[in-house]
Amino acid sequence: EIVLTQSPDTLSLSPGERATLSCRASQSVSSNYLAWYQHKPGQAPRLLIYGASSRATDIPDRFTGSGSGADFTLTISRLEPEDFAVYYCQLYGTSPRYSFGLGTKLEIK
Amino acid sequence: QVQLQESGPGPVRPSQTLSLTCTVSGGSISSGDYFWSWIRQRPGKGLEWIGYIFYSGNTYYNPSLKSRLTMSVDTSKNQFSLQLSSVTAADTAVYYCAREVSSSSWGSYYYYMDVWGKGTTVTVSS
Repeated sequence: EIVLTQSPDTLSLSPGERATLSCRASQSVSSNYLAWYQHKPGQAPRLLIYGASSRATDIPDRFTGSGSGADFTLTISRLEPEDFAVYYCQLYGTSPRYSFGLGTKLEIK
Repeated sequence: QVQLQESGPGPVRPSQTLSLTCTVSGGSISSGDYFWSWIRQRPGKGLEWIGYIFYSGNTYYNPSLKSRLTMSVDTSKNQFSLQLSSVTAADTAVYYCAREVSSSSWGSYYYYMDVWGKGTTVTVSS
């Protein structure tokens, strides 16, 4: 079983700052199968990035996914007030089918 | 655009069967391009993939839930459903439905969930 470890658990930043979120797999994986989601309370999770670096439809270019092997990063270049949320990474191809990281909570400092 | 909406009973008693429905609007569930999935998040835990159903009725379940799980699809209503039997407090969770995409580009294949519902809370309690 491949485990995804996200860090940090919580990231406290101010609007306008740069956020760097990490997702590490317990072994090397295909970057094609790595996705990132944003989740706000009471809302549907929102797909941000698929294939480790491809932005989903209508996702602003301040969101950038990168990485390969076992280490992946979601970068938000300049935080907007609406970006404060919980972020999850997801991996396809594990048992069972998908696994998720535990999330990084991005909060306003 | 496509939207998903979960509906369910709210509280469920232990040992009973949990039934949830996901209604798809803005698109057809009969599109062969997608798998229709369920995911849950138990209190204090991470997201857990439960299983998917294809419009044809083909299913694939999480082995840890397979013995208690049944999924079905009603293309006439544009809905798909989940039934989880013999529930316990450990099945208390927020349940989400989602649309899974399998896409390809330049010979590479990608898998992800591009549309989710807002989730419905299910509490198992006597």
